[in-house]
Amino acid sequence: EAGVAQSPRYKIIEKRQSVAFWCNPISGHATLYWYQQILGQGPKLLIQFQNNGVVDDSQLPKDRFSAERLKGVDSTLKIQPAKLEDSAVYLCASSSFVGSGNTIYFGEGSWLTVV
Amino acid sequence: GESVGLHLPTLSVQEGDNSIINCAYSNSASDYFIWYKQESGKGPQFIIDIRSNMDKRQGQRVTVLLNKTVKHLSLQIAATQPGDSAVYFCAENMWNTDKLIFGTGTRLQVFP
Repeated sequence: EAGVAQSPRYKIIEKRQSVAFWCNPISGHATLYWYQQILGQGPKLLIQFQNNGVVDDSQLPKDRFSAERLKGVDSTLKIQPAKLEDSAVYLCASSSFVGSGNTIYFGEGSWLTVV
Repeated sequence: GESVGLHLPTLSVQEGDNSIINCAYSNSASDYFIWYKQESGKGPQFIIDIRSNMDKRQGQRVTVLLNKTVKHLSLQIAATQPGDSAVYFCAENMWNTDKLIFGTGTRLQVFP
């Protein structure tokens, strides 16, 4: 079974530029998550989708971050304009159902450096 | 979990020894817990999970212990190998949600 796919793996941009990350979850997984992981810390949830609807985006800095999952499968996370503190790994994850006891599987991450 | 920036707690063990990684979780309403392993340059990888109605669960070379009284979780790795070197995170899942809250990671270093 293929895992969670993410691209690009690495991106370096200047502050105030924009960047977009793409994610393809595990086949059949209805729930998709975007996490931000700053070096040395645990992942922090940015946004959660159930099919193509947003379940939780309370931690998403909406003035600069946006995410969509238009057809309930792939998802895109965009940052515009980027700030230096956005340098982090952006992890996409997916799970098969909603609720406690639900194992969440992560992709390899997209590493962003803002200079 | 609180941030420790670049200064992750580190556990150094000799190859072949047993490792114990500890985690304190924050919410008494959490009823599902997962340990993840994260190798350098990779995403977190599921290791083992446990529900709150259990005290212990064993996998291949790994055991998770849950003490709900003191909100403490531990991961035991038997016969630690160089390939076990990574950062380990515990994550808690609150009852009736699927939101994972990650704890502070612990870096495991295995030396020959």
